[in-house]
This record gives sequence, structure tokens and C-alpha cells, in this order.
Amino acid sequence: NAGVTQTPKFQVLKTGQSMTLQCAQDMNHEYMSWYRQDPGMGLRLIHYSVGAGITDQGEVPNGYNVSRSTTEDFPLRLLSAAPSQTSVYFCASTYRPNTGELFFGEGSRLTVL
Amino acid sequence: DQQVKQNSPSLSVQEGRISILNCDYTNSMFDYFLWYKKYPAEGPTFLISISSIKDKNEDGRFTVFLNKSAKHLSLHIVPSQPGDSAVYFCAASAIDDKIIFGKGTRLHILP
Repeated sequence: NAGVTQTPKFQVLKTGQSMTLQCAQDMNHEYMSWYRQDPGMGLRLIHYSVGAGITDQGEVPNGYNVSRSTTEDFPLRLLSAAPSQTSVYFCASTYRPNTGELFFGEGSRLTVL
Repeated sequence: DQQVKQNSPSLSVQEGRISILNCDYTNSMFDYFLWYKKYPAEGPTFLISISSIKDKNEDGRFTVFLNKSAKHLSLHIVPSQPGDSAVYFCAASAIDDKIIFGKGTRLHILP
């Protein structure tokens, strides 16, 4: 029972490089989301999706792109990484977004030099 | 503008005593309020929630209280145990399907 799987767990990038953080869930959840966690800032919502083909912006969407071509996958793309994007990224999913009960992945730690 | 606020970055409580974590919110349209627990190097895990139409929800040692007029909720843990040492996030679900988190409170349970 894998739940929410994030890859990679760790990544170091140089400023200006691009990369994709992968997120997959095997619970058939329609709702998926990405958060970033920074010291003193808590968890901030980047993007979310209520189903395949539908995405929307969260609190801090700038610098990130998402797409949702399947129910299972919700990749997060950084097109041109900046040091301000150094953070721990968490993907989450749920079958009931109105109740807020999210299932989280273990996180991906990204460092941008 | 922060919609979910946890104003105490940390809290220390003696083992066996009650831990009370507080959270304030600004959006009257939130549907559900939740508490998540997070250990280092792990993802947050759901702990307990409360609907906006209720004022109390209890699950074992954990009770959440909601005061809508004050836009305030609290999590009570009694008795506190060493394994409760973690970061606790308050969260709220909005009508537009956004789930917003506070900054977290680090709880230390002292032996």
C-alpha cells in the first residue's frame, strides 16, 4: 500500500536549471496538491487539482507549473530554479477535499545554489 | 494576508499534563478545521478535524474545540505523552477546495 509517492527525495540544482518533482498516488483520489515548507512559514499551498485536466493556483504559485493528465500523477515543474525555491516540497491527495483530510508524501528536499 | 494563524512557535509541557495548542482564522467561509502532526523528515499526518457547524470533537486523548464567534480553535491533548513531541499544524478547508495551513507549533513533552 504505497499511498503518495514523491521522487526524488533530495535534489540539488543550480540557479536557472529546470526540473520536475514527481508525485504519484495509488488511492484513486481526485484531489491532489503541492505544498512547500519553509522555516517559520509553515506549509504553503503552491498548486492544486480537483481532477484530471483541472489545475488551479494556490497561495504561492509563481515559478511553478503543474499539469494533471491522469488521476494518479501530479508533477510539479520548476522551469528556471531560483535560490528562493530552496525548500521541502510535499505532495498530498484526498478523496474529500471539503473535509481537508489530506494524505501526504514523505517530501522532496530541494536546494538551489 | 495569513488566513490561518498559529501565534505560538513552540510549547513545552510536562509529561502527563494537558497540552493546549491554539489557532486563529480570518475566513468565515471555512468548512472544516483540522490538526496535523509532523515528525522530522516525514510528511504531515492527519490527527483530528471539526466541522464548522460543531463546537467540539473528541478522539481518544485529542479534543478539538471551535469558537466561531472568536474565530478560534484549540487542540487539547491529555494526558501528554513523549510521542506527542512534534510540530502541529492547524489547517482549514475553504469552499474553493483550497486547504490552508498555519505556520505550526512545535510541542516539546518534557519527562
